[in-house]
Order: sequence, then structure tokens, then C-alpha cells
Amino acid sequence: ILNVEQSPQSLHVQEGDSTNFTCSFPSSNFYALHWYRWETAKSPEALFVMTLNGDEKKKGRISATLNTKEGYSYLYIKGSQPEDSATYLCASHPQDSGTYKYIFGTGTRLKVLA
Amino acid sequence: DVKVTQSSRYLVKRTGEKVFLECVQDMDHENMFWYRQDPGLGLRLIYFSYDVKMKEKGDIPEGYSVSREKKERFSLILESASTNQTSMYLCASSWTGGRNQPQHFGDGTRLSIL
Repeated sequence: ILNVEQSPQSLHVQEGDSTNFTCSFPSSNFYALHWYRWETAKSPEALFVMTLNGDEKKKGRISATLNTKEGYSYLYIKGSQPEDSATYLCASHPQDSGTYKYIFGTGTRLKVLA
Repeated sequence: DVKVTQSSRYLVKRTGEKVFLECVQDMDHENMFWYRQDPGLGLRLIYFSYDVKMKEKGDIPEGYSVSREKKERFSLILESASTNQTSMYLCASSWTGGRNQPQHFGDGTRLSIL
């Protein structure tokens, strides 16, 4: 994988459902992976920064896991609420990129139906 | 909380005009970034600055320039706007300090070039 890929592109879930989506990134040269939540008409908000293989991070009902060997990260939302509706972006930070080179995926657009 | 402020949420300009997009952050961050976001594409880096008066080209610098005269302010300049520069522009800032530093984003400027 040369780019960062996110799947699915979009999904609709019912309130109360749990859901998850995937970020795939180049596993060679891995340095860090960032997750952001981007609500409509607001700025992207940092959720997690993940650096170590096997990392698990949690923030309320949202959690993420990281597998650097195979190059993927999962984001989970437990008991989705309408306020979780947003685009979820991941960004890979390769090791040789200096401090500034982040490769962003195109995002997963989540709509939670009340 | 970090605040990244972009001068305009919406902007309409004409082909050939010189356009200035301004970004100010209030957390003394060393790094500042300008991205553009287009449908179906991830955020793409236009320019990056890691210190006052320092700048580096990102992935798509053609048609743009930047200015960083003060640490808190990073300006994106479209020297002669063209219709293919119609896009959403996002400014971001971050600390220098390793891979655990997330980026903090502004609300974005939706720029239309007629």
C-alpha cells in the first residue's frame, strides 16, 4: 500500500448500534498514525495519536487499535449517537518525512440515524 | 484549548485576482500548515512552515506562495487565482516535539474562484 486508504467511504447506522471502520497505511517506515473527527462546519479534531504496534486508545465510546506490521488501524464506536455523525480521517506519518509530512486518507463519513 | 483561526469561512474571488488567506494560532506552535481538500481526495499539503520566515513546499505548491512574518500567523497567497483553485482550504498548527503531536485545525475557508 502506497497511500492511506479508508473504508468504507460512508455508512449509515442506527442510534445505539456499534460500528467500526478501517484505515490502511504503508507498514514500512511507519512512525505514527493520527485519527481525527471532522464534523460539518467545524474544524477537524484530534482523537488519537498512535505510535506502537498493538496500541489501543480509548476516549469515551470511541476506541482505536493499531497493527503496524500489517499496516492497519481500526476505529470503533460503541453505542453510536447522532452526535457521532462526522467524517473520520486518519493520517499516516512516515518515519523519513520530517515533522510535517502526513498522508491523509479520504475519510469515512458516518451518519447516525436517530 | 488551542485556537486556530482562519480569516474567512467563505470567499468568492475572480480569476486573476491576488487572494490572501490568513491563519492565526494562539498556542505558540512552531509548525504551521496549509492544506486543500477536494472531493474524493485526502487533505493535500500545499506549504509548511517550521519557524518564522521558514517555509517548505508540500505536495501541491504550484500557484501558491506563503508568508510567515510572525510565529502566530501563516498566510497563503494565490498570486493569480484560477478556477482550479476553487477548494476548501484548511490551516493547521502543531508543536515540534516528536511523533505524538497532533495537528490543530482551523474551521476552513471555502474559496470559490469565478
